[in-house]
Amino acid sequence: SQQGEEDPQALSIQEGENATMNCSYKTSINNLQWYRQNSGRGLVHLILIRSNEREKHSGRLRVTLDTSKKSSSLLITASRAADTASYFCAARSYNTDKLIFGTGTRLQVFP
Amino acid sequence: GAGVSQTPSNKVTEKGKYVELRCDPISGHTALYWYRQSLGQGPEFLIYFQGTGAADDSGLPNDRFFAVRPEGSVSTLKIQRTERGDSAVYLCASSLGGGQPQHFGDGTRLSIL
Repeated sequence: SQQGEEDPQALSIQEGENATMNCSYKTSINNLQWYRQNSGRGLVHLILIRSNEREKHSGRLRVTLDTSKKSSSLLITASRAADTASYFCAARSYNTDKLIFGTGTRLQVFP
Repeated sequence: GAGVSQTPSNKVTEKGKYVELRCDPISGHTALYWYRQSLGQGPEFLIYFQGTGAADDSGLPNDRFFAVRPEGSVSTLKIQRTERGDSAVYLCASSLGGGQPQHFGDGTRLSIL
């Protein structure tokens, strides 16, 4: 399978704590994207990092990318109960617009 | 509406039947994508369109699956001779293309009995 791997598979934290999710992918990429999915809903785009970038911030989100290790991490700071969802990384190669998704991390934030 | 719309939201049918799933993308989005998501897994790419043409159909599992986008807007995913293994949530997304973020619908949950 081309699908990437994410760890942990599941993460439970208290409100106010930080959450870190890791992603490994298999192909050479043009960019890597992170998406969030609430139960029973479609995916929502969070942040995109290009292959020539190492770190990117958006609000409470921080993404890092290490192309030599084919890995990325997503950090959510000061988590809230509303952050409870599944989070997926998705790799986009150079010669196609399709996304190859990871297996996802299920995040539970307790109030 | 402002978002990607998928119909029906749920579809239950018997093994061997034919099904059509519809996707209405965001107005002005030239690229349209179909993915399939099994329980507890990430979405799996099926096919994407740039305009009316299929730019990459490498994810279609076999020739029972076919998709069209005749006018470059609405798309239909067609599955012939359905099998129980086809049961999944079928997600549609659209974008401006060129690697831009994809906007997803809420999916069609397909159950083959």
